[in-house]
Amino acid sequence: DAGITQSPRHKVTETGTPVTLRCHQTENHRYMYWYRQDPGHGLRLIHYSYGVKDTDKGEVSDGYSVSRSKTEDFLLTLESATSSQTSVYFCAISEGQGPHEQYFGPGTRLTVT
Amino acid sequence: AQSVTQLDSHVSVSEGTPVLLRCNYSSSYSPSLFWYVQHPNKGLQLLLKYTSAATLVKGINGFEAEFKKSETSFHLTKPSAHMSDAAEYFCVVRGGGSQGNLIFGKGTKLSVKP
Repeated sequence: DAGITQSPRHKVTETGTPVTLRCHQTENHRYMYWYRQDPGHGLRLIHYSYGVKDTDKGEVSDGYSVSRSKTEDFLLTLESATSSQTSVYFCAISEGQGPHEQYFGPGTRLTVT
Repeated sequence: AQSVTQLDSHVSVSEGTPVLLRCNYSSSYSPSLFWYVQHPNKGLQLLLKYTSAATLVKGINGFEAEFKKSETSFHLTKPSAHMSDAAEYFCVVRGGGSQGNLIFGKGTKLSVKP
């Protein structure tokens, strides 16, 4: 298994509070991604990173920000959590684009009450 | 733009019978295609990938998929289902541009009856 961990694995928070999810990799891969998974939608890209301090928006980036200060860590922040952000969040890593597959972390289940 | 359509949201088979999970793709260039599996309350695991080499791709656990350009299809098959195959399966295409992200189908839930 690829060395990807996510923390926390489960979190319950209140509407309006900030939340930070962490993804940590030991593979030294350049690309890192944050997805959210919702029933009937598959996985959708939130933000991605193509190197240290290099990030860009994905399909569903509103209300989220990211940071990558080290190769191994990619943080996802919900600036002010809303109930619509209740979801399962997956981090993924990849050596490159094109034919390179992505390896996924175990996921973080976030509930916003 | 790249996209995938999984034609069945739910497939039910009996143990020992063949499995067919259908996927059509849309891509403006030669695509990279993947099948991922997700067991309940687990992360996603790569089953197989197509990257313009052989059109018949073999994956883990006896699964394979055939890339058919003329039909824009990438169906997943297995000759004989096992109870442990019960899971959700995602057909995925690599997006274009600088993102290189994966674009997921909505998933097919496979049930296996004893």
